[in-house]
Amino acid sequence: SQKIEQNSEALNIQEGKTATLTCNYTNYSPAYLQWYRQDPGRGPVFLLLIRENEKEKRKERLKVTFDTTLKQSLFHITASQPADSATYLCALDVQAGTALIFGKGTTLSVSS
Amino acid sequence: DSGVTQTPKHLITATGQRVTLRCSPRSGDLSVYWYQQSLDQGLQFLIQYYNGEERAKGNILERFSAQQFPDLHSELNLSSLELGDSALYFCASSVVGSGNTIYFGEGSWLTVV
Repeated sequence: SQKIEQNSEALNIQEGKTATLTCNYTNYSPAYLQWYRQDPGRGPVFLLLIRENEKEKRKERLKVTFDTTLKQSLFHITASQPADSATYLCALDVQAGTALIFGKGTTLSVSS
Repeated sequence: DSGVTQTPKHLITATGQRVTLRCSPRSGDLSVYWYQQSLDQGLQFLIQYYNGEERAKGNILERFSAQQFPDLHSELNLSSLELGDSALYFCASSVVGSGNTIYFGEGSWLTVV
């Protein structure tokens, strides 16, 4: 069956370090992959989208990689700050023209 | 502020009852999505509408139904409610049905007692 896995439920790091979150999928061939941030009790907020023909995408302190051979995306936050503490969700389009399917997320805690 | 408006923000109701959740998409967005989020299941896709027509169906129970009206707002109807239906229900919208970012509302908290 199709599955999206975000390997760590929780990740704790110190301020200033780089956080690396992993998203693996099976039995999909997504055209693109997206990352969202969700704060407690709030709706997810879009961060980055990467297409299947792109290896890497950057936005400020964020970097996403997409390896369609490994069926994996890595999400990096460099120089992390306590304000980066949140749950990060990866999402895929299972079928073109339909909704995104989300992983369960990784909760990042950045301590000062 | 994503521009997606959901009402009510909080709702407490008894088992067996029926509720309606309402969503106004961002201006110009034709696609509306409904998601359910509970602690153990994560964010689950329920249903998608595009310009008034059902586009895709996810893990939506038969007790649940939705529609999108000509003005593009959408309603999610939940009936014969059970304790397990307690969750945060999100509406999201996007310009087109695929390949795009979706924008989430702040959700409707449903508690079934």
